[in-house]
Amino acid sequence: GAVVSQHPSWVICKSGTSVKIECRSLDFQATTMFWYRQFPKQSLMLMATSNEGSKATYEQGVEKDKFLINHASLTLSTLTVTSAHPEDSSFYICSPHTDTQYFGPGTRLTVL
Amino acid sequence: GQQLNQSPQSMFIQEGEDVSMNCTSSSIFNTWLWYKQDPGEGPVLLIALYKAGELTSNGRLTAQFGITRKDSFLNISASIPSDVGIYFCAGFFSGNTGKLIFGQGTTLQVKP
Repeated sequence: GAVVSQHPSWVICKSGTSVKIECRSLDFQATTMFWYRQFPKQSLMLMATSNEGSKATYEQGVEKDKFLINHASLTLSTLTVTSAHPEDSSFYICSPHTDTQYFGPGTRLTVL
Repeated sequence: GQQLNQSPQSMFIQEGEDVSMNCTSSSIFNTWLWYKQDPGEGPVLLIALYKAGELTSNGRLTAQFGITRKDSFLNISASIPSDVGIYFCAGFFSGNTGKLIFGQGTTLQVKP
């Protein structure tokens, strides 16, 4: 299956700071990357879709100015949580758009 | 909008028992996917179903795509302790954009 990595695997930050999460496709090129968020004991919810070379699209209710997405290359998409607050604490998971939907290992964000 | 209803929410079974969980939708899906998620990790694809009526196995796991295209079930036979985790059904948003919508998940616990 497709190999997807995320960095960091977990991060703790202070409220008001920004955190960048990287998602890399290691053995293939992904023109589109999906970003999901999962709160404790809940299911995955799609946040946004990043497209290489163009603007990301966001699902309803997701603030584009708070969750900055950059898809600079065919193997790297980044999600930056700006001015993080405790309610942003969650598990963030990326998934490249391929014939079969694989997921990255996730990044646990805790905002103090 | 499209929704997936997954049941049961949780199961606590004895090792060796068979398990069944299902998902239903208010609208038609063209693809059904079943994932397993271990704590702190991203979902791992177990089985993908692409045709109504399709019955597919992966080891001790069997999943079927309902004829109405509005439901799917996953069976696990002869459960073992490593089957513990959260199981999610998922389907693609309409238009085959690659965006996934997930069921609420079924938490499985296996008593040795």
